Amino acid sequence: DTGVSQDPRHKITKRGQNVTFRCDPISEHNRLYWYRQTLGQGPEFLTYFQNEAQLEKSRLLSDRFSAERPKGSFSTLEIQRTEQGDSAMYLCASSLPTGDRIYEQYFGPGTRLTVT
Amino acid sequence: LAKTTQPISMDSYEGQEVNITCSHNNIATNDYITWYQQFPSQGPRFIIQGYKTKVTNEVASLFIPADRKSSTLSLPRVSLSDTAVYYCLVGGRMDSSYKLIFGSGTRLLVRP
Repeated sequence: DTGVSQDPRHKITKRGQNVTFRCDPISEHNRLYWYRQTLGQGPEFLTYFQNEAQLEKSRLLSDRFSAERPKGSFSTLEIQRTEQGDSAMYLCASSLPTGDRIYEQYFGPGTRLTVT
Repeated sequence: LAKTTQPISMDSYEGQEVNITCSHNNIATNDYITWYQQFPSQGPRFIIQGYKTKVTNEVASLFIPADRKSSTLSLPRVSLSDTAVYYCLVGGRMDSSYKLIFGSGTRLLVRP
């Protein structure tokens, strides 16, 4: 257990439905990341928050995707009008702002989304 | 960000030392080298990070030659529980987000 939690762990939805995932990072971590991972591939970066500000979004994050981090604590990732291609593991990670290990991120267990 | 190349898979036996080499020919002056481990159905876990020479922690060592165009992750005396995917990543302080760019990784299988 890294201290980062995600909910739900699994989600099955029908094509066209909206889904929302939640991530609770380690409390003192002000950086929060979302990644997506498909079978056999490494995780792909989606978006990054520093406190409540969303500072970077990948081109992978289409208009159907939106992420928020109100008050700089937990974060939500919403996918509207889901498509079968959205089926993947959605990973959340958090990290401290500074330090020697600048690329050390703590990942949650992920939310596995299946779109039928 | 520098592109990395690592073997797709490796096999080993319990108790052996495993060395996984990663090539990063276009590494920039400010880039760090970081390794992550991922078990099935779990998020990746940070193993080690280095800039040059050798770094050692409680689970692994990272060897970086002077030209920094490659690096080797060394796992001493592996056990069955070290079966996982290992990712080599390269990135620097120029990217203020410090986002992780993963490749396909190396699938390590440890046999009894």
